[in-house]
Amino acid sequence: DVKVTQSSRYLVKRTGEKVFLECVQDMDHENMFWYRQDPGLGLRLIYFSYDVKMKEKGDIPEGYSVSREKKERFSLILESASTNQTSMYLCASEGIILGAFFGQGTRLTVV
Amino acid sequence: GEDVEQSLFLSVREGDSSVINCTYTDSSSTYLYWYKQEPGAGLQLLTYIFSNMDMKQDQRLTVLLNKKDKHLSLRIADTQTGDSAIYFCAEKGQGGKLIFGQGTELSVKP
Repeated sequence: DVKVTQSSRYLVKRTGEKVFLECVQDMDHENMFWYRQDPGLGLRLIYFSYDVKMKEKGDIPEGYSVSREKKERFSLILESASTNQTSMYLCASEGIILGAFFGQGTRLTVV
Repeated sequence: GEDVEQSLFLSVREGDSSVINCTYTDSSSTYLYWYKQEPGAGLQLLTYIFSNMDMKQDQRLTVLLNKKDKHLSLRIADTQTGDSAIYFCAEKGQGGKLIFGQGTELSVKP
C-alpha cells in the first residue's frame, strides 16, 4: 500500500512565524502536490513537483514556497505565517499507477 | 484555465441511488477521477475514467463521461449510511496539474 505521511495532524503557530509542513511518500513517486482545503472552496493547488529540485506554481502560491531535495520528501514552507493561512493542508503523491494518494492532512491554525 | 465545478450538497435516503455531477473545462484532460473524503481524513481515490471512455462500472459505482458537454457523473447504487462523505471530482490538466472541484457533501438518511 502507498503511504503518504504528513509530519503533524494539528499545528498552532503565531503570526509572522516561519512554518514547515513535511510530507514523505514511500512509493518512489515522481509527482508530489500540496493543496489547501477550505470549506466551500474545495482543494486548491499551492505547488507541485514532478522531480527532485523541480517545482511548479499552482493556483495559489503566494505566501508559500516548497522544497524537494529528495524524491520522497516534499516540504511546504510558510515564510511568514498569517491568519488567512489557517487551513487544512493536504499533501499527495502520484506515480505511474493512476490517481494521487493523499496524506491525512495537517490542520494549521495561525493565531 | 482549468476549472472543475460541482454542486455542494446532496441528500438521499438509504437504499436509493445517488448521482453526483461535475463539469470541467479542460478538453485536453486525459484522466478524470472521483475521490471520497470521510470526516477528519485525507482523500481516498474511488475510481477513475480515461477520457476515451463513456462509462465505467465498479461494483456499486458507475462513472459516466460526456466528453462533448465536459460532464462527469458518479452514481452510487443502493446508497448506505457509510457512503456519507464529501466526494470530489478531479481532472488531470495541462502540465500534470491535478485540479479538484469544490466537493459535494453527500448525506444519507436512514
